Amino acid sequence: GEDVEQSLFLSVREGDSSVINCTYTDSSSTYLYWYKQEPGAGLQLLTYIFSNMDMKQDQRLTVLLNKKDKHLSLRIADTQTGDSAIYFCAESLYSSASKIIFGSGTRLSIRP
Amino acid sequence: GAVVSQHPSWVICKSGTSVKIECRSLDFQATTMFWYRQFPKQSLMLMATSNEGSKATYEQGVEKDKFLINHASLTLSTLTVTSAHPEDSSFYICRALAGRSMAEQFFGPGTRLTVL
Repeated sequence: GEDVEQSLFLSVREGDSSVINCTYTDSSSTYLYWYKQEPGAGLQLLTYIFSNMDMKQDQRLTVLLNKKDKHLSLRIADTQTGDSAIYFCAESLYSSASKIIFGSGTRLSIRP
Repeated sequence: GAVVSQHPSWVICKSGTSVKIECRSLDFQATTMFWYRQFPKQSLMLMATSNEGSKATYEQGVEKDKFLINHASLTLSTLTVTSAHPEDSSFYICRALAGRSMAEQFFGPGTRLTVL
């Protein structure tokens, strides 16, 4: 079945790198996503990666995909206080992104 | 960028009453909108897919008579929680598709429903 798992919490010192990990079970997943949810706000799509890619970099964000282990990670370089949020990993099987399965979310907190 | 609004942002109601939540795409037309439910510290659970001009498609385990969805126009979908009970208390979030690519999808800010 479809399942996406993440650890619930991560605490990082400001300026360090944050690495949020995610595992998924469905090997048919076509797209894998990272979303950010700030308090009281909707989810914001940060980045996504196609299943035939190993890595994608976008400014401070680096996504790594290990298809063999069904493991996805999001690295945030030079973590800032504005990065405090809940980060959701998600997968979908279809290019239209009609049905997306979300992980439980990782709450990232930044300490000075 | 594209904006999706939800109204109200939070609502408190008594058991047995019905509550309507609106999801609007403010600067684009959305033929498809999705409704999610999120419990504290848990993931988003897809409730139903709403297509303009047709009946909503509900996920398994979601009662369609309890969660009424209407997508009457290309910019508005409504979710009505009928005869609400305390266990219906949750954060309800809509997602609207502005196009076919995964980048053209936008979430509303969510509506927190508390049923007393």
